[in-house]
Amino acid sequence: GENVEQHPSTLSVQEGDSAVIKCTYSDSASNYFPWYKQELGKGPQLIIDIRSNVGEKKDQRIAVTLNKTAKHFSLHITETQPEDSAVYFCAASKSGSARQLTFGSGTQLTVLP
Amino acid sequence: GAGVSQSPSNKVTEKGKDVELRCDPISGHTALYWYRQSLGQGLEFLIYFQGNSAPDKSGLPSDRFSAERTGGSVSTLTIQRTQQEDSAVYLCASSLVGFDNQPQHFGDGTRLSIL
Repeated sequence: GENVEQHPSTLSVQEGDSAVIKCTYSDSASNYFPWYKQELGKGPQLIIDIRSNVGEKKDQRIAVTLNKTAKHFSLHITETQPEDSAVYFCAASKSGSARQLTFGSGTQLTVLP
Repeated sequence: GAGVSQSPSNKVTEKGKDVELRCDPISGHTALYWYRQSLGQGLEFLIYFQGNSAPDKSGLPSDRFSAERTGGSVSTLTIQRTQQEDSAVYLCASSLVGFDNQPQHFGDGTRLSIL
């Protein structure tokens, strides 16, 4: 089955700096890659996603890049703010009957004021 | 609009008891997923419902776990004879269904503690 690895497990940045979180996946059939933000006591919130026919996607301060050949994808957050502090999860899934997400182990991002 | 609703938000029970967890998906979402998140861990897939098709139960960890979805909407996850290792946050997600994968939207989960 699919295996998703995520690095780093913790990341501290100064407010205004950029943060990058990286994930690799094992199943070349995976074609959908969402990123979720989870705050304490809350469920994961979708912040951005990318499909395998696209190499990069941006939404304001957030961007995701995908390298299908290397089977890795990354989340980039620019101009970080204290409210960006949370746990971030990457995930992967594929089309067909089995559409469940396989998640990475999460990154605790702390933005220092 | 209303998001995915889960109840109860917290459940404490004794080892060996049965528990039922409820999920109300977003209106119109025909796909429903259950995941489990153990302390400090990522999310682990449990079961997937899509319309009237037979559910994908491949993620259920043991036969003590079961789930049903009545009328294509509300779902209940049941854990029988609970064990301490069942302590976790149980998350439900729903999505539209299309040819391509659609975004899954999560509820805030049920935090289950087995004493």
